[in-house]
Amino acid sequence: DAEITQSPRHKITETGRQVTLACHQTWNHNNMFWYRQDLGHGLRLIHYSYGVQDTNKGEVSDGYSVSRSNTEDLPLTLESAASSQTSVYFCASSEGTASYEQYFGPGTRLTVT
Amino acid sequence: AQSVTQLGSHVSVSEGALVLLRCNYSSSVPPYLFWYVQYPNQGLQLLLKYTSAATLVKGINGFEAEFKKSETSFHLTKPSAHMSDAAEYFCAVGGNNRLAFGKGNQVVVIP
Repeated sequence: DAEITQSPRHKITETGRQVTLACHQTWNHNNMFWYRQDLGHGLRLIHYSYGVQDTNKGEVSDGYSVSRSNTEDLPLTLESAASSQTSVYFCASSEGTASYEQYFGPGTRLTVT
Repeated sequence: AQSVTQLGSHVSVSEGALVLLRCNYSSSVPPYLFWYVQYPNQGLQLLLKYTSAATLVKGINGFEAEFKKSETSFHLTKPSAHMSDAAEYFCAVGGNNRLAFGKGNQVVVIP
């Protein structure tokens, strides 16, 4: 069965370190998304991609970057981790159609100390 | 730009009682609307979606939602709450190949 996976599931890092969160999907979807989930804020879009070599900033992109070298993967990098980036991160994917239904990964809980 | 509003971050409902979660949307084009559910320590799972076919949409686990254009609403209901319905529920509106999510409703089911 097709799926979307994230790794690691839990990560503790120190302020100032670079961290990369992995996202891998086997749906063969063109569109991929990264969100962060924080209490009282719901899900906020960090970055998204509509295909290989395409990346776009979302509403909370400062301090984050992504790259898309193939269809299956969209890694999220925190260039210099800050305590404000402690959160739960979700990756999602969708087909390149108008239905917009997104399929979500299980999430990565990141703690920056 | 599309947006949704969900009122009441926490909703308590007695087991067997009606579950009603409200969602109002703003969209400049005919909307695609979704309800997602998130169980503890899991990702989001699609409950149901509206894509301009029937205005009453049936989803999984006995949930349904009605699209009302005149009220710009897409409220989620379930006639009889079950303990397993305790979760967080998100309304979302689609546009420009992206989704905009509401802030969610945490549903607590009281035995």
